[in-house]
Amino acid sequence: EAQVTQNPRYLITVTGKKLTVTCSQNMNHEYMSWYRQDPGLGLRQIYYSMNVEVTDKGDVPEGYKVSRKEKRNFPLILESPSPNQTSLYFCASSFRGTGAYEQYFGPGTRLTVT
Amino acid sequence: RKEVEQDPGPFNVPEGATVAFNCTYSNSASQSFFWYRQDCRKEPKLLMSVYSSGNEDGRFTAQLNRASQYISLLIRDSKLSDSATYLCVVNARFQKLVFGTGTRLLVSP
Repeated sequence: EAQVTQNPRYLITVTGKKLTVTCSQNMNHEYMSWYRQDPGLGLRQIYYSMNVEVTDKGDVPEGYKVSRKEKRNFPLILESPSPNQTSLYFCASSFRGTGAYEQYFGPGTRLTVT
Repeated sequence: RKEVEQDPGPFNVPEGATVAFNCTYSNSASQSFFWYRQDCRKEPKLLMSVYSSGNEDGRFTAQLNRASQYISLLIRDSKLSDSATYLCVVNARFQKLVFGTGTRLLVSP
């Protein structure tokens, strides 16, 4: 089954404790992206990757890191989480990154930072 | 001005009603337009792409008006299962999709 998976689905952590949210897709998609969704603000792009070893900042990259060492995986790293990073996070992938292709989203990770 | 603007709703309609949503975008150079559906904080899923000539998929019709910079979604014969948030998505810049904040639809019996 074609899918994007994220782990963990729910996470409660404390300020400053490094965490990683994993994202994996099995569709051989080149383009992967991370979004956060907050009430009233919609989905905002954090980082995206055009292909292996190619990443770039989205609209809200501060406080996040990513890496793309393999085509299927695109982990999101919070080195020192803060309460303002409490949000619902979605990973997405698509065939190409031109914006003209359907984005497939993972099920989301609900993160709470206390 | 937001790059993509939608009326947040909610739009409360009875089953069987026809309902329409509009979405405006600010970048006249935008090339690709989509409607995504999102159920109650689950992941967004593509509902339909929006083509210049307009397109229809069953009860759903999408239109693009480049001159006025808006896209629309028309849902005919609303079903209870249509209750969701509908996200307008625009390829506003190269390699980048911009999502609207969504319009919430509630269909009641």
